[in-house]
Amino acid sequence: AQSVTQLGSHVSVSEGALVLLRCNYSSSVPPYLFWYVQYPNQGLQLLLKYTSAATLVKGINGFEAEFKKSETSFHLTKPSAHMSDAAEYFCAVSPQQTGANNLFFGTGTRLTVIP
Amino acid sequence: KAGVTQTPRYLIKTRGQQVTLSCSPISGHRSVSWYQQTPGQGLQFLFEYFSETQRNKGNFPGRFSGRQFSNSRSEMNVSTLELGDSALYLCASSLGQMRGETQYFGPGTRLLVL
Repeated sequence: AQSVTQLGSHVSVSEGALVLLRCNYSSSVPPYLFWYVQYPNQGLQLLLKYTSAATLVKGINGFEAEFKKSETSFHLTKPSAHMSDAAEYFCAVSPQQTGANNLFFGTGTRLTVIP
Repeated sequence: KAGVTQTPRYLIKTRGQQVTLSCSPISGHRSVSWYQQTPGQGLQFLFEYFSETQRNKGNFPGRFSGRQFSNSRSEMNVSTLELGDSALYLCASSLGQMRGETQYFGPGTRLLVL
């Protein structure tokens, strides 16, 4: 079965520091992987997604993620954190079966940016 | 294009009551998925509708049901509410044509059961 695991429910970084949010996946078929961000009292916004076209995926707001099959990872990074990046981040994977359009989410990582 | 809209945004109900939530997808999207978000269980998939048919469902009791109309708008209903049903309910829409499509989320309906 497909699933994602996010390591670290809370991550704190200083403004201007590197952001690294970890996600490992489990899937017996090539996965489709996503990172979403959720700001307080809002829905989820897509940051980026991996669909096998390129292993390094660039998203919005300066975020990027690298798909590493050997490590079954899809970690999210940003070179320099900004105060506005404070939010909750979710990694997600598409189901393996065709005809299923939902997502399976990780437990989320809350990012705090310290001024 | 207008985004996904959900109504109402906030609801307060008491145990035993039922509730209906509404979701209007992005124009042209035929798939609507529903998710429940709670602090304890995180984001959990409820069900997906495509062209007025339930195409996929998660592991929730039968008290949770949904439907989709010919204009792709969707409703979900929870009967006999329990305290544990307090959550943020999110809907997401997509074209629904292939695996790996981006899902676009609405702002959610926050339900409080007293």
